[in-house]
Amino acid sequence: GIQVEQSPPDLILQEGANSTLRCNFSDSVNNLQWFHQNPWGQLINLFYIPSGTKQNGRLSATTVATERYSLLYISSSQTTDSGVYFCAVDQNTGFQKLVFGTGTRLLVSP
Amino acid sequence: NAGVTQTPKFQVLKTGQSMTLQCAQDMNHEYMSWYRQDPGMGLRLIHYSVGAGITDQGEVPNGYNVSRSTTEDFPLRLLSAAPSQTSVYFCASTGSYSYEQYFGPGTRLTVT
Repeated sequence: GIQVEQSPPDLILQEGANSTLRCNFSDSVNNLQWFHQNPWGQLINLFYIPSGTKQNGRLSATTVATERYSLLYISSSQTTDSGVYFCAVDQNTGFQKLVFGTGTRLLVSP
Repeated sequence: NAGVTQTPKFQVLKTGQSMTLQCAQDMNHEYMSWYRQDPGMGLRLIHYSVGAGITDQGEVPNGYNVSRSTTEDFPLRLLSAAPSQTSVYFCASTGSYSYEQYFGPGTRLTVT
């Protein structure tokens, strides 16, 4: 099956710093989503981005489908950005059977 | 909208006991899924449903049953709990015309 690798596994930032998280996948995909799992365990959908670029406030994401990677940018990080960021992909059309990466754990210190 | 709700939030079972994890959504989504999350890992798909009366297996279905009698509800049954089923369980839903998955708050299950 498709493999999803995320890097770095852990990241520590000072508040206000910028960061880039990477997701590599081993085959072509029809669906790619980024999620944030906050310290209380809640999973929040950040982006649906199988290709192209999207921005939402301080977060933006770019997927280069032909090269099989996606990047999540966090600018001017805040302590509330702490948590685990997951990339998830699916190759199917119709219902998506998402395959998750193991995540990047981000800690933003004040 | 309450979104996706799950009950209970926490549960402790003894080996061999059975139980049902409840999941409901009020967004009229066709697609619903169950995942488990183990420490240091991403989520793995257990079972999913593409509509009322239709379910199928995901990556790790053994030891679990599901049914979908209504659009709103998608319960997950543990038939005979084992310590290997200690995990956090998430339910998710997706609309027919949207690819974004929305997750419930999770159920933390411990099997002793």
